[in-house]
Amino acid sequence: GENVEQHPSTLSVQEGDSAVIKCTYSDSASNYFPWYKQELGKGPQLIIDIRSNVGEKKDQRIAVTLNKTAKHFSLHITETQPEDSAVYFCARGEAGTALIFGKGTTLSVSS
Amino acid sequence: EAGVAQSPRYKIIEKRQSVAFWCNPISGHATLYWYQQILGQGPKLLIQFQNNGVVDDSQLPKDRFSAERLKGVDSTLKIQPAKLEDSAVYLCASSHRGANTGELFFGEGSRLTVL
Repeated sequence: GENVEQHPSTLSVQEGDSAVIKCTYSDSASNYFPWYKQELGKGPQLIIDIRSNVGEKKDQRIAVTLNKTAKHFSLHITETQPEDSAVYFCARGEAGTALIFGKGTTLSVSS
Repeated sequence: EAGVAQSPRYKIIEKRQSVAFWCNPISGHATLYWYQQILGQGPKLLIQFQNNGVVDDSQLPKDRFSAERLKGVDSTLKIQPAKLEDSAVYLCASSHRGANTGELFFGEGSRLTVL
């Protein structure tokens, strides 16, 4: 499958600021877009996902937006906290295939 | 609910040696995946099982990697002979309903260092 481009690769913010991570894809068959958080020494864990029939989804301080026409989706974290520090991966999926992950964004939240 | 179990957590071998990793998925999860995560990169799919059948092994280097899923539950990933570039974390994941219809639950991974 084709790759998912993820930017930035590293992101440093002050506690309380917002953080935005963006991903782009090219395969128009993609219809599922999850975001995973990976802490040091652990496996990735799903934090939020969105399907292609929805433009935005929010869960407390985390939101994801999807622009299917432009083929990009973004993760928004508001009021960041030190425990948000981790590596975040976007991914794309389509019927019958496994998830394809981006290269990850290392988020550092300093207090 | 118990999570995805993997062992060993760490393994150091010399090139050309062999290694095997074991995965026990969440009970009832029909789909099992092995991903390779090289340092600083995202997980890359090696193989996907649905029950005990292979759905996708197109990116598995079959000259040295093999995987099986015994009775549709546990799975083993083997590398023989290992190369330096196989140094990575091998992540096992399982899901209830398939690739893009449900959450993937990952184990903590098996970190392989090839010297």
